[in-house]
Order: sequence, then structure tokens, then C-alpha cells
Amino acid sequence: QQQVKQSPQSLIVQKGGISIINCAYENTAFDYFPWYQQFPGKGPALLIAIRPDVSEKKEGRFTISFNKSAKQFSLHIMDSQPGDSATYFCAVGFGNEKLTFGTGTRLTIIP
Amino acid sequence: GAGVSQSPSNKVTEKGKDVELRCDPISGHTALYWYRQSLGQGLEFLIYFQGNSAPDKSGLPSDRFSAERTGGSVSTLTIQRTQQEDSAVYLCASSLVAGGLTEAFFGQGTRLTVV
Repeated sequence: QQQVKQSPQSLIVQKGGISIINCAYENTAFDYFPWYQQFPGKGPALLIAIRPDVSEKKEGRFTISFNKSAKQFSLHIMDSQPGDSATYFCAVGFGNEKLTFGTGTRLTIIP
Repeated sequence: GAGVSQSPSNKVTEKGKDVELRCDPISGHTALYWYRQSLGQGLEFLIYFQGNSAPDKSGLPSDRFSAERTGGSVSTLTIQRTQQEDSAVYLCASSLVAGGLTEAFFGQGTRLTVV
């Protein structure tokens, strides 16, 4: 059973627009929801993370929105820039259990 | 070191040969992961070590794959009798306590090509 479902698989956004990537999970025990960013030839790196006691977390142009009742969380990239073009992975985790990653979204920002 | 170090960065091997991939996690990190990533694809979980607990091997694709972690630090992923479908980037990650609590730091990966 897939523990986290990520969509869309790929996304093209114009420069200056808002990029939105969504993830849905099943297990209500999860209490850690990070987003990772991966550039070609590099390993993924933590971008932003949220815990379920808040509904939103913002860091610069990046915002996580968290809906506990719907078991969904999303990444919003405001004023998207060509340098944001990368693959984004959501993940879920709790306790001593391993992080489980989504399938990834390839984001392309066009001028 | 300052980050997760993987070696070699690139490995070309002949079909049927065995290969060993090495991961040096961040000092003090108790959790260590191995993932496989095919070109343009997602992260395929392979194995997870957490402290002294038995490793979670549920992602290993076949008995040709094995991994060990010596002294709670360095880890080696071994692939025996390599096949062309084993060609991928193998990523290692470590975290301070456990994946559900703290950030996982990834290495740059080992690009394995089986010819």
C-alpha cells in the first residue's frame, strides 16, 4: 500500500506564477511532513518541513499548507523562478520509523 | 566530514560482477538509509538502519542485494552478480535520530552503470 501519494508527476509554470504540489497520506500516526528539493546530479535536500500542530508554515517564497482532517499537505512556491526548476519530493514520518517519500514532481519554470 | 560522503561517485562494471558501494554518514547520526534512483525517476527505498535495531530490509529488490553497517557508522551496499537493470544512482542518507523526527541528509550518490 502506498503510504503517500504525490501529484502532479510533472508541472510547468510560468515565471512569476504559483507552483502547487500536493501529497496525501493514509496513516494518521505520521507527525513529520517534509519537502525535499533535488537538482540534477545532486542528492535531495530538505526544503521545508511541518508538524501537525500548525496548518501552515512559510519560509520565504515556500509555504507548506497542512490539512490534518483531509490528510493532505501541499507545497506552494510563490513568484516561481527558473532556479526553482527541480524535482520535489514530499515525505512522511513518525517516531523511529523510516521516512517514506512520494514519487516526485518534476517542476519546470518557463520564462 | 561535514556531510554524507559516498564512494565511488561513479562505477562502471561488467554484467555478472559484484560491486560494493560505500556510505560515510554524518558523525553521530544513528539512522541511515539507502535508496535507488533510476534516471528521471523517484526514490526507491532499499534498506534502513536505525541504531541497534534490526535493519528494515523490505525494499531490497532481490537476494543479490545486501547491506551492512559496521559499528553504527559506515555502511556498505553490496550487489552481487550485477545485471543491467541494476544501473541507477544509489543514494545514501543519514539522520540524527530517526526519520520521523529530524532531517535526513543525502549524499551525492553513486552512479552505477552495468555494461
